[in-house]
Amino acid sequence: EIVLTQSPGTLSLSPGERATLSCRASQSVSSDYLAWYQQKIGQAPRLLIYGASSRATGIPDRFSGSGSGTDFTLTISRLEPEDFAVYYCQQYAYSPPWITFGQGTRLEIK
Amino acid sequence: EVQLLESGGGLVQPGGSLRLSCAASGFTFSSSAMSWVRQAPGKGLQWVSGISGSGVTTYYADSVKGRFTISRDNSRNTLYLQMNSLRADDTAVYYCAKDLLPAPGRFGYWGQGTLVTVSS
Repeated sequence: EIVLTQSPGTLSLSPGERATLSCRASQSVSSDYLAWYQQKIGQAPRLLIYGASSRATGIPDRFSGSGSGTDFTLTISRLEPEDFAVYYCQQYAYSPPWITFGQGTRLEIK
Repeated sequence: EVQLLESGGGLVQPGGSLRLSCAASGFTFSSSAMSWVRQAPGKGLQWVSGISGSGVTTYYADSVKGRFTISRDNSRNTLYLQMNSLRADDTAVYYCAKDLLPAPGRFGYWGQGTLVTVSS
């Protein structure tokens, strides 16, 4: 099983600042199968990024993803008030399907 | 507009059973792989099970294999999760999710979830 470790656990920033969230895999992950989700309190998760760097439909361009192999990054260029939430990375592999999530990074207002 | 509406959650005793349903609309249900993902209170996300569009192929996390059964009725646009031999650590909000790929993995749409509590 591939374990995803996200850092930091909590990130405190102000609106307008840049946020950099990290996701490290215990073994190499295909970039095609690395995704990021945003979850606000009391809501279901929302797909932000898939294929490590492709934005999902309707996602603002201040969100970007990068990385390969075992190290991936979600960057939010200029934080808006609605961006403060928990973010999860996720990998999916096949034969058999292995789908795992990181433990999450909480992005809070400083 | 894609809509997913879960139901069937509730309080059940350890060792008991429960069946969750997810009513889907706004897309061609029979063409979409679907999954169940759960979230224990205050915890992260855990994929539970997935099923191909036809229903022929099913997938399970090791933690639920042999206890949970995923199925679908494409004539009713409904996804199911039959949960047997429930344990306290199955307590969670269970989300229904629509995959964007032919197999489970890229969860493009989510329902609002249904809470399952396993307790005596």
